[in-house]
Amino acid sequence: DTGVSQDPRHKITKRGQNVTFRCDPISEHNRLYWYRQTLGQGPEFLTYFQNEAQLEKSRLLSDRFSAERPKGSFSTLEIQRTEQGDSAMYLCASSEAYGSWADEQYFGPGTRLTVT
Amino acid sequence: RKEVEQDPGPFNVPEGATVAFNCTYSNSASQSFFWYRQDCRKEPKLLMSVYSSGNEDGRFTAQLNRASQYISLLIRDSKLSDSATYLCVVNGNTGNQFYFGTGTSLTVIP
Repeated sequence: DTGVSQDPRHKITKRGQNVTFRCDPISEHNRLYWYRQTLGQGPEFLTYFQNEAQLEKSRLLSDRFSAERPKGSFSTLEIQRTEQGDSAMYLCASSEAYGSWADEQYFGPGTRLTVT
Repeated sequence: RKEVEQDPGPFNVPEGATVAFNCTYSNSASQSFFWYRQDCRKEPKLLMSVYSSGNEDGRFTAQLNRASQYISLLIRDSKLSDSATYLCVVNGNTGNQFYFGTGTSLTVIP
């Protein structure tokens, strides 16, 4: 399967714990995005990388959230001191970029986080 | 004002019907527009990009109206398998931040 993969698919954690999610994009894609989706809502943009550079972050991304893409391939999203409001589906997407505008994004299956 | 607004529906239509969804966006500088389909508890999947001249892919037609800042999706001859949530997506000022609508729920009834 050469699509976007995410690990783990499900994570249950207690409030206050740290969690880390991984995303492996489609290999030739240089852009990688993280989104958060809650029930009944569309995905909300969190951050994006062009190769290894994190070029944009949403104001939704509090200082408890950090994302990395160290070698321009896979990416990790860490949430520190989780809160119940962090419970959501965390989606990763990748795309090829042509010029200034990104091409279509392809999503991974997501990591469903439940904070108890 | 939200960057992207969609009628959440639900739309319940019989098989074979034609159904249309609209989506309005607030940023006149937006350049990239897409429709995605999302099945229950699955990830969004790209349905089609929306080009300025409009585009068609089989039973699906997408249109862009820049003057009124909306995009539309028309589904002809609805199939049971078309039942899903349809999300419109628009990019922001930098081109790198994408805004999704809340989605429009479609159920095609036998």
